[in-house]
Amino acid sequence: NAGVTQTPKFQVLKTGQSMTLQCAQDMNHNSMYWYRQDPGMGLRLIYYSASEGTTDKGEVPNGYNVSRLNKREFSLRLESAAPSQTSVYFCASSYTTTSGRKNEQFFGPGTRLTVL
Amino acid sequence: AQTVTQSQPEMSVQEAETVTLSCTYDTSENNYYLFWYKQPPSRQMILVIRQEAYKQQNATENRFSVNFQKAAKSFSLKISDSQLGDTAMYFCAFMKQGGTYKYIFGTGTRLKVLA
Repeated sequence: NAGVTQTPKFQVLKTGQSMTLQCAQDMNHNSMYWYRQDPGMGLRLIYYSASEGTTDKGEVPNGYNVSRLNKREFSLRLESAAPSQTSVYFCASSYTTTSGRKNEQFFGPGTRLTVL
Repeated sequence: AQTVTQSQPEMSVQEAETVTLSCTYDTSENNYYLFWYKQPPSRQMILVIRQEAYKQQNATENRFSVNFQKAAKSFSLKISDSQLGDTAMYFCAFMKQGGTYKYIFGTGTRLKVLA
């Protein structure tokens, strides 16, 4: 069981370049999330997918797009990278029942992105 | 909207001693969950402990325990017999039951355990 995996682990982009961060989970979780972590700001939700086929904006969605490719995979795309998007990005997943049980989120190892 | 506040940006504790990290939250919800996550230098987010709001009994996990005060909206983490491996960032998180099951994180407390 690999849990939640993310690729790449590190990336350097120039302003205006695009890239996609990949995330996959093998725990059969229905919900997946993308966060960014900045110093002094904690983790902030960018986008989430409550179930396969659905995506919704989180707290800081501007400049990002997501795709829930299937139950396992949830990608985050930066169409035109900006220095303000320099951050550490985390993917997470959880299995959420209607009663809210087993709702803890499991996190990937993160991607450190630098935009010059 | 819910908010989570961790008022201690940094703390330190001597090895083998006890330390308490503070977390307060603001919500009008009655049913929710609270979590403490640990983030060591490896950057991996690790669940330390969780508390369901409907449970009056405080959660414990080995050396980690919480003091959950629902009326005061307080959720502190106590680490007993601190070990060098406890050195990490600690994040408090809130999740309301139902809806989208999103986390709201605090800004974190950096804990350093001194030898």
